[in-house]
Amino acid sequence: EIVMTQSPATLSVSPGERVTLSCRASQSVSSSLAWYQQKPGQPPRLLIYGASTRATGIPARFSGSGSGTEFALTISSLQSEDFAVYYCQQYNKWWTFGQGTKVEIK
Amino acid sequence: EVQLVGSGGGLVQPGGSLRLSCAASGFTFNTYSMSWVRQAPGKGLEWVANIKQDGSDKYYVDSVKGRFTISRDNAKNSVYLQMNSLRAEDTAVYYCARAWGYYYGPGSYIEYFDYWGQGTLVTVSS
Repeated sequence: EIVMTQSPATLSVSPGERVTLSCRASQSVSSSLAWYQQKPGQPPRLLIYGASTRATGIPARFSGSGSGTEFALTISSLQSEDFAVYYCQQYNKWWTFGQGTKVEIK
Repeated sequence: EVQLVGSGGGLVQPGGSLRLSCAASGFTFNTYSMSWVRQAPGKGLEWVANIKQDGSDKYYVDSVKGRFTISRDNAKNSVYLQMNSLRAEDTAVYYCARAWGYYYGPGSYIEYFDYWGQGTLVTVSS
């Protein structure tokens, strides 16, 4: 099983700040990496697939990077609606998720 | 508009059974594989099962093999999860998700989840 590890567990930030979330795979997943946003009581929402391609309707302030085992999700200027939990997921071999990073208001 | 509507959750005793359903609309159902993903209370996401477009191939996470069965009815645009021998650790919100696939390199077909249903809560407790 490919284990996905996200860091940090929690990020306290102010609106307008730039934030970067990290995700590491226990073995190479090439570019088969997706990012999801989840708000309380809602299902996950696809943000990024293929490590760096924004899904339909996702604002340009969200960007993904990386390949192999190291990945990042950057939000260029945090908006109030971006406070949520973010999960990375590899889909190179089956599907496994990171434990999530909670982005909270500072 | 793509819609996935899950149902069938509830309270069940350990050792009991439950059947979840997910009704799909807004897309050509029989051209997509479908998955179930669960989330225990306050925890992260765990993929549970996947079924290919024609139902011929099914895959499961190790922890549910032999207890859960995924199936689909393309005539009804629905996917199901039959859960038997339920345990307390199966308590979770269960989401159905559509899998979007593409070829990446020769012979490599991969899929990620692009749409998710709203989830249905399964509680296993005496």
